[in-house]
Amino acid sequence: DAGVIQSPRHEVTEMGQEVTLRCKPISGHNSLFWYRQTMMRGLELLIYFNNNVPIDDSGMPEDRFSAKMPNASFSTLKIQPSEPRDSAVYFCASSGGGSYNEQFFGPGTRLTVL
Amino acid sequence: AQSVTQLDSQVPVFEEAPVELRCNYSSSVSVYLFWYVQYPNQGLQLLLKYLSGSTLVKGINGFEAEFNKSQTSFHLRKPSVHISDTAEYFCAVSAGGSYIPTFGRGTSLIVHP
Repeated sequence: DAGVIQSPRHEVTEMGQEVTLRCKPISGHNSLFWYRQTMMRGLELLIYFNNNVPIDDSGMPEDRFSAKMPNASFSTLKIQPSEPRDSAVYFCASSGGGSYNEQFFGPGTRLTVL
Repeated sequence: AQSVTQLDSQVPVFEEAPVELRCNYSSSVSVYLFWYVQYPNQGLQLLLKYLSGSTLVKGINGFEAEFNKSQTSFHLRKPSVHISDTAEYFCAVSAGGSYIPTFGRGTSLIVHP
């Protein structure tokens, strides 16, 4: 298995532009998580999907952020419009479900908003 | 509600020395415990996990952790570290019934030659 795949690996954009981050979870996993990591705030959970349905989006910072999971093999995280404070590394992770199952993380997308 | 505290933000140590990274948790129900490692410019990957049974759990790369229910701790240890162990280490807890784990703030292990 190729593991969790994220694209792009790096994204540099200007303030106000739309940014779309993509994730392909491990086949067979039914739970998907989006995280944001910064030096200041550490690792933050943004949203959690189970069986393609958003279960907990309380970590989504504001309306500029949105996430979708149209099918079991693809998810997107969109920021519109982007701001410099959105600069961070964004991780996608998938899991087989159940609180006893570990998460498998992708390599992350490093986003820089100028 | 569940929470995790990693008491040390940074732990410097010399190569071949032993190391312990501390993790304490709080939860009102039974828990599952995890340690993850993050190497520079990579995602997190599982080192080891405690689900039940023996309180001493062995993981990859020579790491082990001990679950102590009375002290609500899950400290990570390695008897002899290598330069390649330099990384960020995260403790995480999942309480029974919750599919969303809680991560600690991480401990940066810095191994000096």
